[in-house]
Amino acid sequence: AQSVTQLGSHVSVSEGALVLLRCNYSSSVPPYLFWYVQYPNQGLQLLLKYTTGATLVKGINGFEAEFKKSETSFHLTKPSAHMSDAAEYFCAVSAPQYNAGNMLTFGGGTRLMVKP
Amino acid sequence: DSGVTQTPKHLITATGQRVTLRCSPRSGDLSVYWYQQSLDQGLQFLIQYYNGEERAKGNILERFSAQQFPDLHSELNLSSLELGDSALYFCASSVVGTSYEQYFGPGTRLTVT
Repeated sequence: AQSVTQLGSHVSVSEGALVLLRCNYSSSVPPYLFWYVQYPNQGLQLLLKYTTGATLVKGINGFEAEFKKSETSFHLTKPSAHMSDAAEYFCAVSAPQYNAGNMLTFGGGTRLMVKP
Repeated sequence: DSGVTQTPKHLITATGQRVTLRCSPRSGDLSVYWYQQSLDQGLQFLIQYYNGEERAKGNILERFSAQQFPDLHSELNLSSLELGDSALYFCASSVVGTSYEQYFGPGTRLTVT
């Protein structure tokens, strides 16, 4: 079974400041990890994913995340926040198995607010 | 635009009624997933279909059912609706076995009054 914990349901940063959204996961098998963003009244958009290989993954809109197995973490960062980054961010984990499901288990979400 | 379409966008109905939500996956995607997003439960996986067959089941109530048709579109049927079923219902699709990311539709907002 998998689970995801996102520390901080609300994070506020100033425009131009570093964005750090925290995600810790629990998985009984090697996980696949994802970050999704949800803008108001919209669906979820994939920001980035980690499956195998390089542990630092880059995504869209300048975001990146690092998979740290020893810390069971997959924190999302962006060097400089932009007003347009204000949204809700979800970390998710899956454990794909051949001929079985690969559903996503989501964290509770973090609402990012960007102050001018 | 993810390429996943959902209809209707909004649905308002009364308790005890039955509704059907429809989803068309991205072209080429064989797998369809349904998720429920509510304020108290967050985002929860309901059910997955792969090429017409049920592949995995999550926290789906017995009053809810789904199916995937030969053209790969899927429908989620919700019956004997209760106030607590009010939520945003998302459909997602993926190509199982090659890439594991799921692409989400815009959702159907269900309001039960």
